[in-house]
Amino acid sequence: QSVLTQPPSASGTPGQRVTISCSGSSSNIGSNFVYWYQQLPGTAPKFVIYRNDQRPSEVPDRFSGSKSGTSASLAISGLRSEDEADYYCAAWDDSPSASLYVFGTGTKVTVL
Amino acid sequence: QEQLQESGPGLVKPSETLSLTCTVSGVSISGYYWTWIRQPPGKGLEWIGHIYDSGNINYNPSLKSRLAISVDTSKNQFSLKLRSVTAADTAVYFCARALRGTIFGAVIHRIDSWGQGNLVTVSS
Repeated sequence: QSVLTQPPSASGTPGQRVTISCSGSSSNIGSNFVYWYQQLPGTAPKFVIYRNDQRPSEVPDRFSGSKSGTSASLAISGLRSEDEADYYCAAWDDSPSASLYVFGTGTKVTVL
Repeated sequence: QEQLQESGPGLVKPSETLSLTCTVSGVSISGYYWTWIRQPPGKGLEWIGHIYDSGNINYNPSLKSRLAISVDTSKNQFSLKLRSVTAADTAVYFCARALRGTIFGAVIHRIDSWGQGNLVTVSS
């Protein structure tokens, strides 16, 4: 019952740029910070972007995030084979009926 | 460096209670939001709920009627109990730590540390 919508898949050849969109609403992305998590096969997720567009020091600068209104996006430039993973956006959702953390539907990135 | 480790049975019968514990090492359990997240096989992530210092608990509304999350500060552990399980509750269950705050009213909620995950299968 994800309230954040992502494309199910994205792909590119090594060196290309891939962009993943995340569409939400005023109660989540529109009013709170967006986070992006990378999940490599068989492992727990780890965050690669925090507070919309901030990158942890250990994450390559090939990863960038942005937010506009009720949508956000993650871009991976200079695509590498090790970027092949599932990516999830997330944000806190403060709707009138409930408060909870919501994840996107997930996007599988394939390096061709 | 903090570490989180889930423990609990890998198989639960339908209608019974799923119980998991997360043991936290390397950091005090006080002052953080301790979180449960699950992922059905081949599917996406679902936030289950979190607890902060025992008195502040948020549950996913879709699970709230069956759910209890608690913390034991003396053991540096927190736990999950999910009642009346069905096959739809089969998933990898992750425990995690979240950092939370606000900036000009916008909620910061970052999950920055995860356990390795515990596959729980609901089957007779």
